[in-house]
Amino acid sequence: DIVMTQSPDSLALSLGERATISCKSSQSVLYSSNNMNYLAWYQQKPGQPPKVLIYWASTRGSGVPDRFSGSGSGTDFTLTISSLQAEDVAVYYCQQYYDTPRTFGQGTRVEIK
Amino acid sequence: QITLKESGPTLVKPTQTLTLTCTFSGFSLSTSGEGVGWIRQPPGRPLEWLALAYWNDDNRYNPTLRYRLTITKDTSKNQVVLTMTNVDPVDTATYYCAHGKKGNWFDPWGQGTLVTVSS
Repeated sequence: DIVMTQSPDSLALSLGERATISCKSSQSVLYSSNNMNYLAWYQQKPGQPPKVLIYWASTRGSGVPDRFSGSGSGTDFTLTISSLQAEDVAVYYCQQYYDTPRTFGQGTRVEIK
Repeated sequence: QITLKESGPTLVKPTQTLTLTCTFSGFSLSTSGEGVGWIRQPPGRPLEWLALAYWNDDNRYNPTLRYRLTITKDTSKNQVVLTMTNVDPVDTATYYCAHGKKGNWFDPWGQGTLVTVSS
């Protein structure tokens, strides 16, 4: 199984600050035949299902604000919120869809300081 | 617009079989590449992928639960059914179904259904 490890487990920042979440996979999720990273990021607000923010490691989902960005390749990925807003309070998960079993990171809780 | 909705019991006794139904619209599981996945989330815990049903019956399971899970599809009803045998209190979780094309992420997700396993 591909193990996804996120860091930190939680972070508390002031409004307007930059939030950076790391996700590392135990093996590469870069598919050589198409040079795509099979990595997605989800946002889960309290009492709601997860919503995809980023797929292919760096492509924003429909309607996702441009303050959210994804980067990285191979085994190391980053989700960045450029200017934290109150509505960004949530738990963020990375997930690989390179192989089954599909696996998620343990989540990173983002709060406002 | 794709939508999915989970349905099933809210309370199940230990050792019983849990049956959950995902009813969806906006796509067809008879179309090449299409799929529906089940993911669960115990209270306060991370997400755990359970199974995937694909248009071509190439179904996939989480190996840790493989012998307890069965996923089936009814294309005519636009439904995917997940059964889990011999449930235990540790199976208490919110169960989500989600649209998941072959080789793709999950999007969108249903609202989820909370299943409690307790005697």
